[in-house]
Amino acid sequence: GQQVMQIPQYQHVQEGEDFTTYCNSSTTLSNIQWYKQRPGGHPVFLIQLVKSGEVKKQKRLTFQFGEAKKNSSLHITATQTTDVGTYFCAGRNLDSSYKLIFGSGTRLLVRP
Amino acid sequence: NAGVTQTPKFRVLKTGQSMTLLCAQDMNHEYMYWYRQDPGMGLRLIHYSVGEGTTAKGEVPDGYNVSRLKKQNFLLGLESAAPSQTSVYFCASSYTVQGVGPSGSYNEQFFGPGTRLTVL
Repeated sequence: GQQVMQIPQYQHVQEGEDFTTYCNSSTTLSNIQWYKQRPGGHPVFLIQLVKSGEVKKQKRLTFQFGEAKKNSSLHITATQTTDVGTYFCAGRNLDSSYKLIFGSGTRLLVRP
Repeated sequence: NAGVTQTPKFRVLKTGQSMTLLCAQDMNHEYMYWYRQDPGMGLRLIHYSVGEGTTAKGEVPDGYNVSRLKKQNFLLGLESAAPSQTSVYFCASSYTVQGVGPSGSYNEQFFGPGTRLTVL
C-alpha cells in the first residue's frame, strides 16, 4: 500500500538555528498537507500544497512540494522555543479526496 | 462552536472488556475519521465515514467497529480490548470545497483532543 516516509525522526536544535523535515511518498500525490502537534496536544493543520513545484511561506516556515508530487519539505528559519512539537506531513492519493496517509512525524526540540 | 470533542479523555481497561469512544463535531462536516497514534508511527487510520449511515475501513481496522447514526457523531467501539490497543485515539472531521475536484479540494482535517486508552 501507499507509504509516506518522513525524516528525520527527531531533531534537537539551538534556538535560532534552522530546521528542515522531509517527506517522501511511494506514489504520486494529489496534494499534501502539513500538521503540527504540540506536546500533549492534537494535530493542527498548517498548510496544503496542491501544485507541482509549489512553494508557500508562513512567516518563518517555508513549505515545498516536489515537481513529481512525491516529496515535500518544511523548513523553519531561525527556530524559536514556540516551534517545539512534532510536524507531520500527510499525503492524499490521486484516487481519494478524503483519506490522508500520515508520515511518522519529525519531533523538533529547541534549546533556549 | 466547540469544534471536535471526544469522550472520555482517559480510560483504563482490562483485557477482554469493551468500550465505546464518542466523537462529536458541530461544524456540519460530512467526513469523519478515527486514528490511533503510537510512538514513532504517526497517525494510522482505523475507520472513516463519508456521510451519515456510511462507514469504511482504514489501514488498521481489526478489533474495532464504528457507527455513524447521526451526522455529528462518530462512535468507535472495542468489543474485546487487547493490550495492543493501548494507544492515543484521535477523531477528526473535514469538509470539501465543492466543484474543485480531488486534486484541488481543500480538505483540512480538524482533530479532537484525543483519548488516551490503556489496556492492561
